[in-house]
Amino acid sequence: DVKVTQSSRYLVKRTGEKVFLECVQDMDHENMFWYRQDPGLGLRLIYFSYDVKMKEKGDIPEGYSVSREKKERFSLILESASTNQTSMYLCASSLGQGRNFYSYEQYFGPGTRLTVT
Amino acid sequence: SQKIEQNSEALNIQEGKTATLTCNYTNYSPAYLQWYRQDPGRGPVFLLLIRENEKEKRKERLKVTFDTTLKQSLFHITASQPADSATYLCALEAGGFKTIFGAGTRLFVKA
Repeated sequence: DVKVTQSSRYLVKRTGEKVFLECVQDMDHENMFWYRQDPGLGLRLIYFSYDVKMKEKGDIPEGYSVSREKKERFSLILESASTNQTSMYLCASSLGQGRNFYSYEQYFGPGTRLTVT
Repeated sequence: SQKIEQNSEALNIQEGKTATLTCNYTNYSPAYLQWYRQDPGRGPVFLLLIRENEKEKRKERLKVTFDTTLKQSLFHITASQPADSATYLCALEAGGFKTIFGAGTRLFVKA
């Protein structure tokens, strides 16, 4: 089974702090994603990566950056946390190019509930 | 830009009945569409993917339809059980391997 783990389930940070959220997947997946989920808004894509050191902005990248130095690890960085970044953060991975097919299904981690005070 | 509409009101049904959830989109027809299940406090779990050239897909008690003319997908759970109670998310291809998600519909199945 694919396993996607996130470094923390709950995190409380102060306004202005630099915050690191870590995500690790153990299935050699090509693609990794960071979303935030807010009530009534669904999942919104922050950044995604299709290869090591490659990244693309999603729909709401402002205030965030990412790092993918190794294939299995994708980090989300909040440069200077603000209260409007209080949210549930979900990491996901997808296989991408398989032997005879392209796989789009995403496997999600358990989420990190971040509170910025 | 593409918008996804899922019924924000919860769906309440009796055990044993068929639950039908709707996903409508507003712009271009996506190359594929996915359905996920999400339980409270957990990440979504993939259920089914249907491609634009497929009308219907089944997996055990689950059935998904995809009507590109109506710009709609229907997700059915037959013989529903209380364990099926969860939020169900619709997700559309948004270019390459990028996906956009709907806000989800909450399903409650009463015993």
